[in-house]
Amino acid sequence: KAGVTQTPRYLIKTRGQQVTLSCSPISGHRSVSWYQQTPGQGLQFLFEYFSETQRNKGNFPGRFSGRQFSNSRSEMNVSTLELGDSALYLCASSLNRAETQYFGPGTRLLVL
Amino acid sequence: DQQVKQNSPSLSVQEGRISILNCDYTNSMFDYFLWYKKYPAEGPTFLISISSIKDKNEDGRFTVFLNKSAKHLSLHIVPSQPGDSAVYFCAARVDSGTYKYIFGTGTRLKVLA
Repeated sequence: KAGVTQTPRYLIKTRGQQVTLSCSPISGHRSVSWYQQTPGQGLQFLFEYFSETQRNKGNFPGRFSGRQFSNSRSEMNVSTLELGDSALYLCASSLNRAETQYFGPGTRLLVL
Repeated sequence: DQQVKQNSPSLSVQEGRISILNCDYTNSMFDYFLWYKKYPAEGPTFLISISSIKDKNEDGRFTVFLNKSAKHLSLHIVPSQPGDSAVYFCAARVDSGTYKYIFGTGTRLKVLA
């Protein structure tokens, strides 16, 4: 069974632009969560989607948004990019909300 | 407020010896704990988990211990191998119906050959 896939793997943007990242969960998994990883900060929870509905949200500004499609694939969007948004963005999927999360390889975003 | 803390940013261990990675938490509502391993340029890989109703779970060379009274979690790797060199994250799940996961900041383990 294929793992969690994320596209693109690397991205360079400039301040003020917006970006959309994509995540395809493991087949059959219905819950998708997004995390931001920066040096020294560990993984910071962004949001979780289940059945196309946002179930949880972390402490990030409204510039960060996401959605989930009927096939469980998910996208996250960051508008008006700031230098501090440079990070590794990780997507994790689980069979259901209570199950163990499995991570994709991440998208490394660099904002110049 | 860091509810899950990994106070050792790095750890070096000789090959064949035991590696002990520690994690402390503050929220008594956590009901499930996990350890993940992360190599550079890859996403975290699930290693082992433990429910809050247990105090030990073992899987091959990996054992996780949970001390609820001390709010302390540890991962033991025996024997340590050079391929175990990675960053290890502990994570805890909040069971308030939200199933939210809180991660520690990670401990970089280096196993010396």
